[in-house]
Amino acid sequence: LAKTTQPISMDSYEGQEVNITCSHNNIATNDYITWYQQFPSQGPRFIIQGYKTKVTNEVASLFIPADRKSSTLSLPRVSLSDTAVYYCLVGGAGRRALTFGSGTRLQVQP
Amino acid sequence: DAGVIQSPRHEVTEMGQEVTLRCKPISGHNSLFWYRQTMMRGLELLIYFNNNVPIDDSGMPEDRFSAKMPNASFSTLKIQPSEPRDSAVYFCASSFGSPLHFGNGTRLTVT
Repeated sequence: LAKTTQPISMDSYEGQEVNITCSHNNIATNDYITWYQQFPSQGPRFIIQGYKTKVTNEVASLFIPADRKSSTLSLPRVSLSDTAVYYCLVGGAGRRALTFGSGTRLQVQP
Repeated sequence: DAGVIQSPRHEVTEMGQEVTLRCKPISGHNSLFWYRQTMMRGLELLIYFNNNVPIDDSGMPEDRFSAKMPNASFSTLKIQPSEPRDSAVYFCASSFGSPLHFGNGTRLTVT
């Protein structure tokens, strides 16, 4: 299985940009990188997915260097409502793409 | 789009009883997934189906757990007999390719 490593927790303040990095040294050629967000008492929610370089949507940006051994989720100008656990998943198909790690618990302070 | 619908939202039962969790996937999705979440073990994939056929059930903890998908719009996860260590939040998710769309889960407490 493609193992991912993320910081256990991060703290930020409202209005700041938050960058969460995920390490995935054994990523395979056809693997995609997918990020999910989970609030308490809810199921995870898809944020963004990418294969290489940069992907941006209305919620976040995903930066992937050329070697693809890591990726960075960037949340611009976070608010209190961005307090959640963020998961990085790596895989192309099957169980590899469906395995959640421990995630990063982001706490946004006023 | 109503999203993935799970029922019940909460279930409290006594050890030894049968528990059935239900899931209605998003219409048009052809894959369905059952996950379990606990503080100790995080989110674990139990089983997933493609086109109503179980593809990978290697995450099902033991024979007490079984899952069915009789049609494209319904799936059940059954635990018989239930044990206190089965207490967790059980999530159902569906997809058409990627990404996964999760329901809000069933919180199961076995006393």
